[in-house]
Amino acid sequence: AQKITQTQPGMFVQEKEAVTLDCTYDTSDPSYGLFWYKQPSSGEMIFLIYQGSYDQQNATEGRYSLNFQKARKSANLVISASQLGDSAMYFCAMRETLNSNYQLIWGAGTKLIIKP
Amino acid sequence: SAVISQKPSRDICQRGTSLTIQCQVDSQVTMMFWYRQQPGQSLTLIATANQGSEATYESGFVIDKFPISRPNLTFSTLTVSNMSPEDSSIYLCSVEGLGSYEQYFGPGTRLTVT
Repeated sequence: AQKITQTQPGMFVQEKEAVTLDCTYDTSDPSYGLFWYKQPSSGEMIFLIYQGSYDQQNATEGRYSLNFQKARKSANLVISASQLGDSAMYFCAMRETLNSNYQLIWGAGTKLIIKP
Repeated sequence: SAVISQKPSRDICQRGTSLTIQCQVDSQVTMMFWYRQQPGQSLTLIATANQGSEATYESGFVIDKFPISRPNLTFSTLTVSNMSPEDSSIYLCSVEGLGSYEQYFGPGTRLTVT
């Protein structure tokens, strides 16, 4: 079964609008972490934001926020005031604490295109 | 955060040859990870490399095809052996941040096998 599901293969968003990228996960581990990464066309993987399963508040980093709904097992990334430079692939990933080799489990990604 | 460099940044290789990719980190790290990203796909973990021990390979990856060295806490190499066009991918190394949970990635090596 898929542990990380990103249901949006691609999205087009108008510049300056907010965008939500969906991510749902599946784990029986009570302690886990959720990550979002950005991959521009250059290929580098850029860490955006992290949410721990026991964190009481949703994580925020500048224009990025993570809408963490634990009961629904969702960890959506919200980008406010989108910019042309936000056009990239976005990956959601999870690490389970019981997985002692620190392996990240990756979603299939969402290709975000910001329209001017 | 850790600063990671990879060499080469890209290469075009002939079928049947081998390529060694280097990964250098600006700080000492316990674990380094090697990923493959085939065109249009997500990341797939090849192996985890700890200093002083054999790398741990994921299902579908074997040491004969992807030998890894980890001679010290700041450096690792991945060799792609006896290459075929199916090995054309981006190869990424990553490390876990000291005292943090996020993994930091190198810029990647774009490999094309003809």
